[in-house]
Amino acid sequence: SQKIEQNSEALNIQEGKTATLTCNYTNYSPAYLQWYRQDPGRGPVFLLLIRENEKEKRKERLKVTFDTTLKQSLFHITASQPADSATYLCALDMGSNDYKLSFGAGTTVTVRA
Amino acid sequence: ETGVTQSPTHLIKTRGQQVTLRCSSQSGHNTVSWYQQALGQGPQFIFQYYREEENGRGNFPPRFSGLQFPNYSSELNVNALELDDSALYLCASSLSISHEQYFGPGTRLTVT
Repeated sequence: SQKIEQNSEALNIQEGKTATLTCNYTNYSPAYLQWYRQDPGRGPVFLLLIRENEKEKRKERLKVTFDTTLKQSLFHITASQPADSATYLCALDMGSNDYKLSFGAGTTVTVRA
Repeated sequence: ETGVTQSPTHLIKTRGQQVTLRCSSQSGHNTVSWYQQALGQGPQFIFQYYREEENGRGNFPPRFSGLQFPNYSSELNVNALELDDSALYLCASSLSISHEQYFGPGTRLTVT
């Protein structure tokens, strides 16, 4: 069966450290992988998209890697700040004519000042 | 540029009733998708509309239906509500040529 698994435990880190989140999937062949941020009671906000032929993508303090052999994406927040505290969702996008995003359950990150 | 808006914010319904949720797409976006998010879970795809036609559907029964209007706004209708329909319903708009989706704040539906 198809599965998308993110860190099962919430992540608590000290301000200034790097948070690393994992997204593993089985029985999918995504053309793209997306990361979203969701704050309590709000809709997800798009952060980054990485294509299957890209190994790494950066945006400001965020870095995403995508390994289609391991079927895994890593999401890094460097120099973390309390404002980064949120739930982070990975989403698989099959691309082409496939229209839907398939989301993981998310990882909640709390950054302590 | 106006973002995605949804109404109402919260709704309480009784089992067996019907509900209509509304979404206004971000300006210029011609595609709208609806998702259901249960507490502690990721969003689950319900269906997508592109230029007023359904463009794909997830594993939801026919009592979940939708519409997209010429101005690209959209409705989600749910008939014969069940307790398990209690969730946050999210609308997301996008450009057909783009993959990132822009979500609204959601409608919190509680079925009692």
